[in-house]
Amino acid sequence: AQTVTQSQPEMSVQEAETVTLSCTYDTSESDYYLFWYKQPPSRQMILVIRQEAYKQQNATENRFSVNFQKAAKSFSLKISDSQLGDAAMYFCAYRLQGAQKLVFGQGTRLTINP
Amino acid sequence: GAVVSQHPSWVICKSGTSVKIECRSLDFQATTMFWYRQFPKQSLMLMATSNEGSKATYEQGVEKDKFLINHASLTLSTLTVTSAHPEDSSFYICSARDSSVSGNTIYFGEGSWLTVV
Repeated sequence: AQTVTQSQPEMSVQEAETVTLSCTYDTSESDYYLFWYKQPPSRQMILVIRQEAYKQQNATENRFSVNFQKAAKSFSLKISDSQLGDAAMYFCAYRLQGAQKLVFGQGTRLTINP
Repeated sequence: GAVVSQHPSWVICKSGTSVKIECRSLDFQATTMFWYRQFPKQSLMLMATSNEGSKATYEQGVEKDKFLINHASLTLSTLTVTSAHPEDSSFYICSARDSSVSGNTIYFGEGSWLTVV
């Protein structure tokens, strides 16, 4: 069974600095998708960024970028120029291509210090 | 972007009664929707996968008769908590998968707080 592990329950960063959230996953498959979701205090799950496993290029969305290391089964999220609005729970998730379910990690609570 | 709406956002019900939560995809068709439960400070726990026009697929340990799921149309799935008890109090989230050819993204509703008193 696929599993997703986020080893950092909590992280904090100074406003305007850069922070990296870690995520590793376990799968024997080669075709899958990886996601980072943000859950602010409102509890609304917001898609931050997605990565197709067949793409070697790391996905980027404005201040958010990933470091996808397929061989190492690692998928970290880098947030540049951190803003107060980035404070939230961040969940890493995996979905096998052709499957329907998302498998979530335990989450990392990110605090932004002004 | 795609929008998934959940209703109600919060509900309080008496122990022993049933309560229904709706999940609607507002601007796309969703043959598949998902229902999650989230306990405080924890991750999302998948309860069941809801398929339009067919029975839901429940995860191991989730009581089918207690958590009734109906997906009668391509834009609506409902979760009914039957004979609710205080331990059913939780945050329930739905998500919907865009069924278009290029749609591989799953969108989430705003969630529903259920309190059973």
